[in-house]
Amino acid sequence: DTGVSQNPRHKITKRGQNVTFRCDPISEHNRLYWYRQTLGQGPEFLTYFQNEAQLEKSRLLSDRFSAERPKGSFSTLEIQRTEQGDSAMYLCASSPRQGGTDTQYFGPGTRLTVL
Amino acid sequence: KQEVTQIPAALSVPEGENLVLNCSFTDSAIYNLQWFRQDPGKGLTSLLLIQSSQREQTSGRLNASLDKSSGRSTLYIAASQPGDSATYLCAVPPFSGGYNKLIFGAGTRLAVHP
Repeated sequence: DTGVSQNPRHKITKRGQNVTFRCDPISEHNRLYWYRQTLGQGPEFLTYFQNEAQLEKSRLLSDRFSAERPKGSFSTLEIQRTEQGDSAMYLCASSPRQGGTDTQYFGPGTRLTVL
Repeated sequence: KQEVTQIPAALSVPEGENLVLNCSFTDSAIYNLQWFRQDPGKGLTSLLLIQSSQREQTSGRLNASLDKSSGRSTLYIAASQPGDSATYLCAVPPFSGGYNKLIFGAGTRLAVHP
């Protein structure tokens, strides 16, 4: 068990380009979350998967954002037509429980800079 | 709507001091409360999780308390060390809207100097 991994760790892109991030959760964790964190703030929830089903999306997740978890294992977060306001740290977390609550284990994050 | 506030926003102390970090939340209907540590440019590390039925949790030099009725939690760090320097975040999963997400405070940035 190597923990939650995220790739890439850093991404610099020009405004208008599309970017895709990957998250590999802890194996056998069926719940996966994406958060966004800007400088000096706590993480803000973006979306949640239970297995392959995307069960909740924040209104922060505009039409330019899409997330998938096709086989209930790894997940991808794509941002289309990036804007400077998308610059942030994108964090992925996973947790093992089917119901109730449990500790969420976070990955190291992907830092996105939009020029 | 659940809101989480952390005070102070930043703290600088000499090594060896005992510290109290504060977290308050507006809606007392929570499943639990978690404290995380975040080093600069890194992800979050879970420190302590207090269930709503518990009053406190301890791990080493860390002790977290929870008072649901007043909407407050404190993280106590005993005998602080330079390695404790980091941002400390508290978070709650709210009842309303499901337990599928965490609502975070903005964090307390702690610097412990030798």
